[in-house]
Amino acid sequence: GDSVTQMEGPVTLSEEAFLTINCTYTATGYPSLFWYVQYPGEGLQLLLKATKADDKGSNKGFEATYRKETTSFHLEKGSVQVSDSAVYFCAPPLEYGNKLVFGAGTILRVKS
Amino acid sequence: DAGVIQSPRHEVTEMGQEVTLRCKPISGHNSLFWYRQTMMRGLELLIYFNNNVPIDDSGMPEDRFSAKMPNASFSTLKIQPSEPRDSAVYFCASRLGLKDSNQPQHFGDGTRLSIL
Repeated sequence: GDSVTQMEGPVTLSEEAFLTINCTYTATGYPSLFWYVQYPGEGLQLLLKATKADDKGSNKGFEATYRKETTSFHLEKGSVQVSDSAVYFCAPPLEYGNKLVFGAGTILRVKS
Repeated sequence: DAGVIQSPRHEVTEMGQEVTLRCKPISGHNSLFWYRQTMMRGLELLIYFNNNVPIDDSGMPEDRFSAKMPNASFSTLKIQPSEPRDSAVYFCASRLGLKDSNQPQHFGDGTRLSIL
């Protein structure tokens, strides 16, 4: 079945550093892909999405490009802030019978 | 717009007691999901409904757990009897459509459950 592999954390960066969190997927088709963010004490929020191959999703300075040739959807941000400290989840769509909805999540810690 | 609403936000109870968690999905969404999140296991899908019908409950850990969706605007997750290992944060999420992969899930703020 379809699955997603996400970079293990925690990732610790200094403020204004460049961020990359890797995510690769296997899928029989070309599904939409999503990145969610979970801030401490809160539920998951949609960060960005890409609905087809070569599509780029962006929000709050974060970007991810749906790369068909490498089956990847890496999350990037040029300059992280302390407020970006959170857990980030790469997610494939939920399909009937597919119990894997989210990867393990990557903890990001940004130090000032 | 109102998001997914969960209640209670926090629940502390003694083992053996019945616990009922509640969820109101976003109006118009026809898929609803219950998750459990712990440090050890991460985010686990327990059960999901489509048009109020349970589609897959294979993630429900054991018979002590049950979930219902009597109508499109309300769902419950019940644990009876509760045990300390059930302590976790329980999330409800809703989505427009099921097989429409362009639609993201919308999460509530969760219920933090502590079983003493």
